[in-house]
Amino acid sequence: QVTLKESGPGILQPSQTLSLTCSFSGFSLSTSGICVSWIRQPSGKGLEWLATICWEDSKGYNPSLKNRLTISKDTSNNQAFLKITSVDTVDTAIYYCAQGIGYWGQGVMVTVSS
Amino acid sequence: IQLTQSPSLLSASVGDRVTLSCKGSQNINNYLAWYQQKLGEAPKLLIYNTNSLQTGIPSRFSGSGSGTDYTLTISSLQPEDVATYFCYQYNNGNTFGAGTKLELK
Repeated sequence: QVTLKESGPGILQPSQTLSLTCSFSGFSLSTSGICVSWIRQPSGKGLEWLATICWEDSKGYNPSLKNRLTISKDTSNNQAFLKITSVDTVDTAIYYCAQGIGYWGQGVMVTVSS
Repeated sequence: IQLTQSPSLLSASVGDRVTLSCKGSQNINNYLAWYQQKLGEAPKLLIYNTNSLQTGIPSRFSGSGSGTDYTLTISSLQPEDVATYFCYQYNNGNTFGAGTKLELK
């Protein structure tokens, strides 16, 4: 059974760095073909793909945010991470992690506010 | 690749056949998925690779299309289908459409 759960700081101030963790079970990020992505959704708005990391450590980033994003993984502990630098209020959103396209976590709310 | 979904809001009655559209700015090569999102929940995968039904999804949902034009069809609308539907392309980068909100008339 595949499960994913996101965790984050809840609230942070503008200009800080947002660090998110995706803890998962039911699969391994060392298995060929497996990738984990981060997607976000501002309240009442649409979905935005942010980044993907795959089993062989290839990475992809949303071009509009690439300079601010860093995705990484800890295969031994079944975790994936996303860092977003220099956050602003527009980064306020629910952040989801997903394995492939079919398995999503419940999401974590992140608020950027001074 | 940009995805344009239409309509943005759709009102239909129980039992209606409903069709949602998703158009890409470039060829998507059938790497197109559809998600259903109910209020307060994470998106749920309905269809992948244009027309493959995800396990556990009712057969009233179906997908079709090719090139730049794709469609999600609900053959007989049920009350529990009230949700927002997003298309998603994974052929060239990764992009979501803006969504179609489906409500009961």
